[in-house]
Amino acid sequence: DGGITQSPKYLFRKEGQNVTLSCEQNLNHDAMYWYRQDPGQGLRLIYYSQIVNDFQKGDIAEGYSVSREKKESFPLTVTSAQKNPTAFYLCASRHRRYGYTFGSGTRLTVV
Amino acid sequence: AQKITQTQPGMFVQEKEAVTLDCTYDTSDQSYGLFWYKQPSSGEMIFLIYQGSYDEQNATEGRYSLNFQKARKSANLVISASQLGDSAMYFCAMSLRGSGGSNYKLTFGKGTLLTVNP
Repeated sequence: DGGITQSPKYLFRKEGQNVTLSCEQNLNHDAMYWYRQDPGQGLRLIYYSQIVNDFQKGDIAEGYSVSREKKESFPLTVTSAQKNPTAFYLCASRHRRYGYTFGSGTRLTVV
Repeated sequence: AQKITQTQPGMFVQEKEAVTLDCTYDTSDQSYGLFWYKQPSSGEMIFLIYQGSYDEQNATEGRYSLNFQKARKSANLVISASQLGDSAMYFCAMSLRGSGGSNYKLTFGKGTLLTVNP
């Protein structure tokens, strides 16, 4: 079945470390997105990419970085510059006609 | 800038009754899309219903319907015959075409936590 796979489901990071969250899709969608969700809050856009080798900052890009070397993959790196990285991270992709598909999320905790 | 407002942090409904979740939006664009998503405690985002800004009829999907009032910029979700499994967070979202014509971004409200009581 086509869909979006996010891994790992749970991730623990020590302060000062960079961590990378994986997002892979086999839907052949061009556009991919990363969102952050804090408890009791809506989703906020971190980065998005419309095509391979191109991406744009969203509303809260500081402390994060992404790459889009392949159409299927859009990994998110949470750098040590992100002061409050504990959150739920959701990846999504978009089809021109059929809308958005979301992954099941990664819950990141700083220990 | 685009904005989605959900004024009900929490709602309660009795099983088998209907419930309306409110959503208002703010944009100066003429072309946009409105979405409702359900997020159970597992965290996944489940697509429920979509309304395009040029759609003249309100969208319906099974027990879900979207009450679209363009002049008032509201897009309320109506769930008929509530079930215990409907208990979840519900998010209203708007998709707009960004600069360059091909960049679409999805902006979310803060959500409404719906609890269905037996």
